Amino acid sequence: EPEVTQTPSHQVTQMGQEVILRCVPISNHLYFYWYRQILGQKVEFLVSFYNNEISEKSEIFDDQFSVERPDGSNFTLKIRSTKLEDSAMYFCASQGGIYEQYFGPGTRLTVT
Amino acid sequence: DAKTTQPPSMDCAEGRAANLPCNHSTISGNEYVYWYRQIHSQGPQYIIHGLKNNETNEMASLIITEDRKSSTLILPHATLRDTAVYYCIVGNTGTASKLTFGTGTRLQVTL
Repeated sequence: EPEVTQTPSHQVTQMGQEVILRCVPISNHLYFYWYRQILGQKVEFLVSFYNNEISEKSEIFDDQFSVERPDGSNFTLKIRSTKLEDSAMYFCASQGGIYEQYFGPGTRLTVT
Repeated sequence: DAKTTQPPSMDCAEGRAANLPCNHSTISGNEYVYWYRQIHSQGPQYIIHGLKNNETNEMASLIITEDRKSSTLILPHATLRDTAVYYCIVGNTGTASKLTFGTGTRLQVTL
């Protein structure tokens, strides 16, 4: 069964460093999302992406965040200058139809 | 998006049906009810969705009241692997539509 994959599974970085989280959505899906979950808290929407542009973004998704689909398979989330409060699980999701979203296993980002 | 209310936790014996309730009294006419679950810290997993009719798939059944103000997710024969946090989410259908997660119901399936 097709699945969303994410790399790395765990990323440790120092405050102020740039990180890029990578996702490979399900082939033929056209709609992509990033969510995050701070330990013990809710899953929060960050951004949705379609046709090479952002469809919607939350207030969390400020100028420090960017997304890109650099080729036909990868979907990336970049955080330019990480802060301690960016430590969280980051989930990528993709959608082919109009109902269900398929989530990846997540990348645990630890900012020290 | 309409707000949902779920009990914070429930227990269920293995092999028995798990019935997870959700209130969504402010749901609007074009909003669907979606159920996802999250096992430990894994990515959320889609279970089922519905508009106003009851729905069933290989994972679960979804019962939506006639006034659409509440729904129940039914896992007919719960197993230990069904232990997870279950999220009831109300939102518009359509692509590029965000999911707004609440705190969900933590279902513990026991022997």
